[in-house]
Amino acid sequence: GAGVSQSPSNKVTEKGKDVELRCDPISGHTALYWYRQSLGQGLEFLIYFQGNSAPDKSGLPSDRFSAERTGGSVSTLTIQRTQQEDSAVYLCASSADRAYEQYFGPGTRLTVT
Amino acid sequence: DQQVKQNSPSLSVQEGRISILNCDYTNSMFDYFLWYKKYPAEGPTFLISISSIKDKNEDGRFTVFLNKSAKHLSLHIVPSQPGDSAVYFCAASARNQGAQKLVFGQGTRLTINP
Repeated sequence: GAGVSQSPSNKVTEKGKDVELRCDPISGHTALYWYRQSLGQGLEFLIYFQGNSAPDKSGLPSDRFSAERTGGSVSTLTIQRTQQEDSAVYLCASSADRAYEQYFGPGTRLTVT
Repeated sequence: DQQVKQNSPSLSVQEGRISILNCDYTNSMFDYFLWYKKYPAEGPTFLISISSIKDKNEDGRFTVFLNKSAKHLSLHIVPSQPGDSAVYFCAASARNQGAQKLVFGQGTRLTINP
């Protein structure tokens, strides 16, 4: 079956512009996660959605970052007024209800110039 | 504060020998541990996991060992194959605290030499 998909695969934007990154989780997975990986670093948790519960936003680095999940499926991560330090690979993952293992998409490489 | 640490950024092993990747953690609330493998330009793929109630889990060539008293886990790959060359991340979760998010280490780049 189809895995987690993300779009775009690459995004180059100018400092100060807004960007939207999209994630399509595995069908039927109730949990969805966003992480980012900066150069040479591990994966950093950003936000987590589980069903209809309020999202866990504890990893969002600033109020310029927001995410939503519509209809319990597709999610969009929005970064407003992008800064150069936002440059990273943004990874989305999904998991089945109460499952530990998360399945990752290929990521979106964001470059802020 | 790095709760999950992989102190070796890289490791080089000869094909056919054993690869041992190490991971240390500081949060005693972690109760589930996972290893992910990542190829360039791809997302991480799940490899193997272990619950804190166990000290060993084996799946084919891959074995994960957990030493709770030392807050240390390791991944053994034997025999190592060229296709194992990738970046390996360990991750931990504190599900008993209601947290489903994973905390990742910085990764170890494994290179298998023919």
